[in-house]
Amino acid sequence: QQPVQSPQAVILREGEDAVINCSSSKALYSVHWYRQKHGEAPVFLMILLKGGEQKGHDKISASFNEKKQQSSLYLTASQLSYSGTYFCGTEIDGNEKLTFGTGTRLTIIP
Amino acid sequence: DTAVSQTPKYLVTQMGNDKSIKCEQNLGHDTMYWYKQDSKKFLKIMFSYNNKELIINETVPNRFSPKSPDKAHLNLHINSLELGDSAVYFCASSQVLGVAGELFFGEGSRLTVL
Repeated sequence: QQPVQSPQAVILREGEDAVINCSSSKALYSVHWYRQKHGEAPVFLMILLKGGEQKGHDKISASFNEKKQQSSLYLTASQLSYSGTYFCGTEIDGNEKLTFGTGTRLTIIP
Repeated sequence: DTAVSQTPKYLVTQMGNDKSIKCEQNLGHDTMYWYKQDSKKFLKIMFSYNNKELIINETVPNRFSPKSPDKAHLNLHINSLELGDSAVYFCASSQVLGVAGELFFGEGSRLTVL
């Protein structure tokens, strides 16, 4: 089952903050976040494993709520380089398969 | 020095033809994957191989046949191409089996079936 991301698209001005959500209908073992710029390959941002950890990567951080089967990606003080489509990828316990979400297109304008 | 490389980058062909896409990784990873990204940007796993052994085979038509001659290479052959096969195909690799690790993607191969 494909995880659902929200919002589908968002437009921000440089310096504004954004939150991208990823919801699954099944219990999760791990959540991954990737960013894909137009015409390019997806690029890894971070992994969150079962255990409720939160990770950060410069001004991009994420949380993982196992009980709610959700993860959120936080982008603070957004930069033009943050533009792209963000995908969460989820792994259900033991199946060793990453299923990508529906994607969120983020556009940062000056 | 490209970590995961795919060839060709673009393929335009007629329905009914057969085509292949090649993928090579120089990262020393054990696991390789094929993903399909359709026009709506949905990224779906097709196959995964670990050390030349098929691990994941999603509900992909038999017309798609992956081949891994060694753990650094994973090729995708598609028979009797259909319009719905038009997509970008991404090869990826990871250090370990399972998804505990980062996926490294190739640049993608855009297949257009006319």
